[in-house]
Amino acid sequence: QQQVKQSPQSLIVQKGGISIINCAYENTAFDYFPWYQQFPGKGPALLIAIRPDVSEKKEGRFTISFNKSAKQFSLHIMDSQPGDSATYFCAASIDFQKLVFGTGTRLLVSP
Amino acid sequence: EPEVTQTPSHQVTQMGQEVILRCVPISNHLYFYWYRQILGQKVEFLVSFYNNEISEKSEIFDDQFSVERPDGSNFTLKIRSTKLEDSAMYFCASSGGSRGGNEQFFGPGTRLTVL
Repeated sequence: QQQVKQSPQSLIVQKGGISIINCAYENTAFDYFPWYQQFPGKGPALLIAIRPDVSEKKEGRFTISFNKSAKQFSLHIMDSQPGDSATYFCAASIDFQKLVFGTGTRLLVSP
Repeated sequence: EPEVTQTPSHQVTQMGQEVILRCVPISNHLYFYWYRQILGQKVEFLVSFYNNEISEKSEIFDDQFSVERPDGSNFTLKIRSTKLEDSAMYFCASSGGSRGGNEQFFGPGTRLTVL
């Protein structure tokens, strides 16, 4: 119930393409869904987050799509750049408490 | 821009030894957390801390672990008797608001290697 499932495990996208990472959850009490970006040897950095009262949130090239009925949410990176190459984690929490992380997606954007 | 800092960046210890990992959260934040990440795996919650006491802990956070906020700025994680399986990256995070009601900001981590 506390798990967040993330796919794919790894992703290779051409420069300028769209990267899509998907997550699914079971616990309907989750009410906060952030995405974190992590570069090797660094801590996770908050990228974008959404609450379940909206279906989409866009910040620059990054968009979260949220489907409450399906208990799924996804990250879209438009016009992907080599500098976006990193590991991306989705997460979920209840009332901003502990974060439950997905298993991570290693994104490689080829030049 | 305020950030969470952690020391040391890398700690090597012998099995059975005690280690203390240190964190300085963002100054006006009220909620503090420790997470760990075993190499190549997902980030796992260990413990949250608010108002000078543990607010939640995971099953990983057994009697070998303890946390403390010894002064107004530091937040520490102590592992009393390290095991090989404690080798991981340990991340401190903090959030603001009256009930942790803001995003969690992570430090750069401490890599713990237990030999």
